[in-house]
Amino acid sequence: EDKVVQSPLSLVVHEGDTVTLNCSYEVTNFRSLLWYKQEKKAPTFLFMLTSSGIEKKSGRLSSILDKKELSSILNITATQTGDSAIYLCAVEGDSGYSTLTFGKGTMLLVSP
Amino acid sequence: NAGVTQTPKFQVLKTGQSMTLQCAQDMNHNSMYWYRQDPGMGLRLIYYSASEGTTDKGEVPNGYNVSRLNKREFSLRLESAAPSQTSVYFCARGDGFNYGYTFGSGTRLTVV
Repeated sequence: EDKVVQSPLSLVVHEGDTVTLNCSYEVTNFRSLLWYKQEKKAPTFLFMLTSSGIEKKSGRLSSILDKKELSSILNITATQTGDSAIYLCAVEGDSGYSTLTFGKGTMLLVSP
Repeated sequence: NAGVTQTPKFQVLKTGQSMTLQCAQDMNHNSMYWYRQDPGMGLRLIYYSASEGTTDKGEVPNGYNVSRLNKREFSLRLESAAPSQTSVYFCARGDGFNYGYTFGSGTRLTVV
């Protein structure tokens, strides 16, 4: 059974701080790891990391995959109040048919 | 969210009542999914459909049935609702390798 563990479960920072969110996984035949941001409604796609693409960056957000340690981090620099959300990590295996297994998420609150 | 439409957005049921949650995508993608999200539990897969006419159980299928009558629509049915099915339900479509999933805006279901 695939498993995803995220830490911390919640985090409060001040605007301008840098944060690092963690995700570790166990999956049969790893295919990809995905990060999503969830505000009030549906999760929205941030990054996908694979064996051939272990680092992604978009503006103040960046993510790295460590295949040896079976983990990933999501960094957010110069945080803003609009970054307040739940950040979800998910992994996709390749055992027959691919589905996403999600972690429980990290709730990030950025205070002004 | 653009691309995946869920109805209704909110619903209150009495224990034992039945209902169907509707989901439609505006593309012709093969894979579609139903997840439920509960506080502290993350997103858990209920059922998925790899293509039109095929469905498979996910992590928490008990108490649910699904139907994929055509490529666009994937419905979730609760035959006899129970309070344990109080949750937020998300439908998603797979956007292909490297693009993750697109989620609908969710249905908040309360069973009393």
